[in-house]
Amino acid sequence: NAGVTQTPKFRVLKTGQSMTLLCAQDMNHEYMYWYRQDPGMGLRLIHYSVGEGTTAKGEVPDGYNVSRLKKQNFLLGLESAAPSQTSVYFCASSYSRGSNQPQHFGDGTRLSIL
Amino acid sequence: DQQVKQNSPSLSVQEGRISILNCDYTNSMFDYFLWYKKYPAEGPTFLISISSIKDKNEDGRFTVFLNKSAKHLSLHIVPSQPGDSAVYFCAANGGGSNYKLTFGKGTLLTVNP
Repeated sequence: NAGVTQTPKFRVLKTGQSMTLLCAQDMNHEYMYWYRQDPGMGLRLIHYSVGEGTTAKGEVPDGYNVSRLKKQNFLLGLESAAPSQTSVYFCASSYSRGSNQPQHFGDGTRLSIL
Repeated sequence: DQQVKQNSPSLSVQEGRISILNCDYTNSMFDYFLWYKKYPAEGPTFLISISSIKDKNEDGRFTVFLNKSAKHLSLHIVPSQPGDSAVYFCAANGGGSNYKLTFGKGTLLTVNP
């Protein structure tokens, strides 16, 4: 029962470097989401996907790109990392678009940009 | 524009007593409300939810109350246990794009033995 798995768990980058965060879910969920959590800010939606091959912008999309080539995977990319992107990143998935469908979260990726 | 507000950053209660966590919202289009619990170094986990057409939902020690006229909901934990110590997030669904959750900033609950 893996649920939602995020890799890596920790990463330190230098300003200007690029990297990709991987999210994988084994629950056959249609919907997937990327959030960031900053101190005192709660969780903010970066991008989301309502199905394979589709992506859409969330609340704070600038500086990030995403891809959903396979239903079970949702990738978050930072093309040129900035210190403001230091955060904890959470991936989540849900079965459908119904309001009563809770999202299932991974354990997060702690990313530091120096 | 913070649509979901948790005005208490922290709450401390004694084991066995009631914990009451509060949440206010501004968007009357929200049609579902959820509470998530988060331990350090883990992702949030779903705890309990309530539809906007109801005013109460109960699951074991956890009860959520919704007051639509006041745009206010609360999570009651009775009796509180040390293992309940965590950050609790209130979240709202609906509001025109019903597959996106809007989260509050969270309340850190500490239950003292």
